[in-house]
Amino acid sequence: GQQLNQSPQSMFIQEGEDVSMNCTSSSIFNTWLWYKQDPGEGPVLLIALYKAGELTSNGRLTAQFGITRKDSFLNISASIPSDVGIYFCAGLVGGSQGNLIFGKGTKLSVKP
Amino acid sequence: DSGVTQTPKHLITATGQRVTLRCSPRSGDLSVYWYQQSLDQGLQFLIQYYNGEERAKGNILERFSAQQFPDLHSELNLSSLELGDSALYFCASSVVAGSYGYTFGSGTRLTVV
Repeated sequence: GQQLNQSPQSMFIQEGEDVSMNCTSSSIFNTWLWYKQDPGEGPVLLIALYKAGELTSNGRLTAQFGITRKDSFLNISASIPSDVGIYFCAGLVGGSQGNLIFGKGTKLSVKP
Repeated sequence: DSGVTQTPKHLITATGQRVTLRCSPRSGDLSVYWYQQSLDQGLQFLIQYYNGEERAKGNILERFSAQQFPDLHSELNLSSLELGDSALYFCASSVVAGSYGYTFGSGTRLTVV
């Protein structure tokens, strides 16, 4: 079936650092989304991307929809402690009435 | 508060038992989705309902079933529970479909002992 490969699996951040993570697939997606999950909570939508090549920002977050429609990346600039959590990419399958396939997540933690 | 309500928040039960998880979607949302999240598998899509009808099925075991009622709330039934069914179960809802993203509830943590 369709799979999303997210990397890195985990990373440590120091306050003020920029962070980058990405998501790739062997399948084409027409919509990519990025979610963040805090401990004990459900994922929350951060950014949605609808067009190949699209670059979208939400505050310190920037995401891009790859031109091949098989990948996407998420950048976080000037990270702060509340950025810790698990970030998931998701691709829409089955057209506009379809459902989302999620990557396994990138866990962001604060450097000790 | 996301507007998607899941109950109970925690559930501990024994192997072989049956449980029902409940989800009330955000007001106005017609689609309901169920996901299972375990440590090693990430978020696995189980099943989708739209306005009372099953729309799509994912990796849902035969021991699991779901339905969406006329008032749009949904229930996920898990039977003959096994230790491996221990996981977080999330419900999400959307107005139309996934293209605008889902709103997730806070999940039900199921522990099978």
